[in-house]
Amino acid sequence: GQQVMQIPQYQHVQEGEDFTTYCNSSTTLSNIQWYKQRPGGHPVFLIQLVKSGEVKKQKRLTFQFGEAKKNSSLHITATQTTDVGTYFCVPGAGSYQLTFGKGTKLSVIP
Amino acid sequence: EAQVTQNPRYLITVTGKKLTVTCSQNMNHEYMSWYRQDPGLGLRQIYYSMNVEVTDKGDVPEGYKVSRKEKRNFPLILESPSPNQTSLYFCASSLAGTTIYEQYFGPGTRLTVT
Repeated sequence: GQQVMQIPQYQHVQEGEDFTTYCNSSTTLSNIQWYKQRPGGHPVFLIQLVKSGEVKKQKRLTFQFGEAKKNSSLHITATQTTDVGTYFCVPGAGSYQLTFGKGTKLSVIP
Repeated sequence: EAQVTQNPRYLITVTGKKLTVTCSQNMNHEYMSWYRQDPGLGLRQIYYSMNVEVTDKGDVPEGYKVSRKEKRNFPLILESPSPNQTSLYFCASSLAGTTIYEQYFGPGTRLTVT
């Protein structure tokens, strides 16, 4: 599957601070998905981005797809303890074989 | 309720003893997939299936087999498990067209091979 680099691997923030994770590809993607996995849980779909330069918001979460469709970001405004978990990106490149990014593990200190 | 179910949820077995982990979905999804999750390595795809009788290898297929005889079921077979297959396994399903859409994951199966 399509390989991507996801950074950072870990992020510790104080509750109320912002958080951003990045997903970078060396090749152009057809789309990208984001998932969240709570500790002890299974991955849960958050969003799929398809268009170049697309920006989508879900409450405090903002997702962006780069103009060149080679990178994506997930930004959380004013983190809460409920945001704790690991965030994964999954690049789509026209193949049915999928490769998850290694994820960014977010810890929120109350 | 739309869901993906996996059984068993926990399994401890010994090296070489064949086992099957079942996966079933009730959403009439074409696409089903198996992943393993290991610390520091994220989720890695083992096998996937585009539809009945259509399966293909993911990134880490060695030591695993799958079958897709019915649309709703996608069992994962370990014919001779080894300790390096100790892991957390997830099954997922989704609609599929020219791309894969939102994947729904099962609750996971924690496998220990001694």
